[in-house]
This record gives sequence, structure tokens and C-alpha cells, in this order.
Amino acid sequence: QKEVEQNSGPLSVPEGAIASLNCTYSDRVSQSFFWYRQYSGKSPELIMSIYSNGDKEDGRFTAQLNKASQYVSLLIRDSQPSDSATYLCAVKYSGGGADGLTFGKGTHLIIQP
Amino acid sequence: GAGVSQTPSNKVTEKGKYVELRCDPISGHTALYWYRQSLGQGPEFLIYFQGTGAADDSGLPNDRFFAVRPEGSVSTLKIQRTERGDSAVYLCASSFGQGSYNEQFFGPGTRLTVL
Repeated sequence: QKEVEQNSGPLSVPEGAIASLNCTYSDRVSQSFFWYRQYSGKSPELIMSIYSNGDKEDGRFTAQLNKASQYVSLLIRDSQPSDSATYLCAVKYSGGGADGLTFGKGTHLIIQP
Repeated sequence: GAGVSQTPSNKVTEKGKYVELRCDPISGHTALYWYRQSLGQGPEFLIYFQGTGAADDSGLPNDRFFAVRPEGSVSTLKIQRTERGDSAVYLCASSFGQGSYNEQFFGPGTRLTVL
């Protein structure tokens, strides 16, 4: 059973601080990892993708991947109220015809002005 | 350019009825995916098309669900004999190609309500 686990939150962070979102996955046979942002009533919007161990930075966002620990995280620097949303972690597993993404339930992030 | 589009945005139907949900992927994207999202949950994979063929339908919950993509572009998800448990947001996504490194982009979704 391939699973992706996220703390559902809510995670409350003051404006301007760093928000840290975490995700663990169950299967070592995984290749690609994605973070999506989903505003209430809207569809998921891709923020970051990461494929190799280490950090990947894009503006205020940094994705971190540790395959040995089966752990992926998203850091949001200088958090803004507009960052308040649900953040979905998704994993693309390799092989076995599993071509879709496996999503966690998402972490609800609240940025407090 | 235009993103993934889905119609209708909302669909209300009665238990036992048949519904069709349409997805128009990003131009040039050969891979197309259908997901279903229930309240408080992440999207759940249903089916994947590469071109015209369903390459992976392992996520379809039962034989009431069927999807087609006859010309390799627009796809239709078909649900027969709808049940109240089918109520959810149905999301379509597309990517440039197949494989693990292709990012998937979602459409706005169709909210299906079965009364």
C-alpha cells in the first residue's frame, strides 16, 4: 500500500516567518515529488517539483528531499497572508503501471497577519 | 496559453442517472489524468491516458466508471447509475509526456452532486 502522510493542521504561522510543511511516504520505489497549493474551492496548483536528494529553491519556496528517510518538505520564507491555503504533497511511484500521483490529505496553512 | 478546461463546472443529478464530464487538456500535452477529490482528502487517481489509449485505469472504483479519449485530446469521464457516494470534485490534469518527471497541471474541476 503506497501512502503519503501529511499533518492535516491547521498550521498557524505569523506573517513574515518561515512556514515548514512536511510529508512522508511509504514506498522506497518512488521517483518524483510534487507540492501543490490548493485554495478553498479551487483546484490544485503546482508549486514545486523535486526529483533528487537535497534542496531546490524557487523564489520564496524551497523543497527538500531525503530519500533515505522517505521525507520531503516545503519551506515558505517571508510568509504572506496569501500563502494561506492547503498544501498537498504528491508522489509519483515508479513501475507497476502506477502512472498517477499519490496525494497526501494536505496540510492547512494559516498565515496570521 | 490556455490551461486545462473542464465542463460543466457543476453537475447536479439524481441517483441512478448517467453523467458525462469533459476535459480539454493543455494544447500539446499527450498525457491526461482523471482524479476524484472528496472533502478533506487529497485527489485520488482514477485513470491515465497516453494518447488515445487508457494506459492505466487501476484507480477506477468499479465498472460504472468509464473514460474515453478518442482523438487523443479531449477526454470524457462517464459514470453510469450514479450513486450518492459518487459526489465529489472530479479533476482532470494533463502533462507534456509520460514518465515520472512530467509535471501535471490541473483543470478547475467539475463538482458532481448526486441527490
